[in-house]
Amino acid sequence: GDSVTQMEGPVTLSEEAFLTINCTYTATGYPSLFWYVQYPGEGLQLLLKATKADDKGSNKGFEATYRKETTSFHLEKGSVQVSDSAVYFCALSDHQDSNYQLIWGAGTKLIIKP
Amino acid sequence: EPEVTQTPSHQVTQMGQEVILRCVPISNHLYFYWYRQILGQKVEFLVSFYNNEISEKSEIFDDQFSVERPDGSNFTLKIRSTKLEDSAMYFCASRQRPGDGLFFGSGTQLSVL
Repeated sequence: GDSVTQMEGPVTLSEEAFLTINCTYTATGYPSLFWYVQYPGEGLQLLLKATKADDKGSNKGFEATYRKETTSFHLEKGSVQVSDSAVYFCALSDHQDSNYQLIWGAGTKLIIKP
Repeated sequence: EPEVTQTPSHQVTQMGQEVILRCVPISNHLYFYWYRQILGQKVEFLVSFYNNEISEKSEIFDDQFSVERPDGSNFTLKIRSTKLEDSAMYFCASRQRPGDGLFFGSGTQLSVL
């Protein structure tokens, strides 16, 4: 079945460092890919998405490119801030799945130190 | 910006009691979901709902759980007889079309004592 694998956390970086959180997927169809963020004590927020191969999703300085050849959707940010500290979830929605429910990665906790 | 709203934000209940978690999805959305997240763990799918019926449910969603869309705006999750292991953050989500990102509510923290 479909699955999402994320790099294990926590990931600890200093402010202004470059961030990469790896995400790879397996899917039988042509999924849409998403990154969600969960700030401490809060709910899940859609950060960005990409619906087809080579699409780049971007928001709040974060980017991720849908790479069909490597089945990846890595999250990147050029210069992180303390306020980016959160748990980041990669997810997919497989268009072959009649219910289109999201398949979630385990989440990667990001800690940014000043 | 339209948002999914959930009430209450916190619910404390005794084991064996019934609870109803309430959600108001975004008004033009057609697909509705409940997820839960036990503290520090993965987000778990419970159930999806479309066209006034359940379209998929997980193994977690046993006979103790039910969902309802009693009117044109609310979407509720009922747990008939709560267990300690039902303690979790419950998230409602909705979307307009398949393949869209899900819009989540801020969650209801359920504590079963």
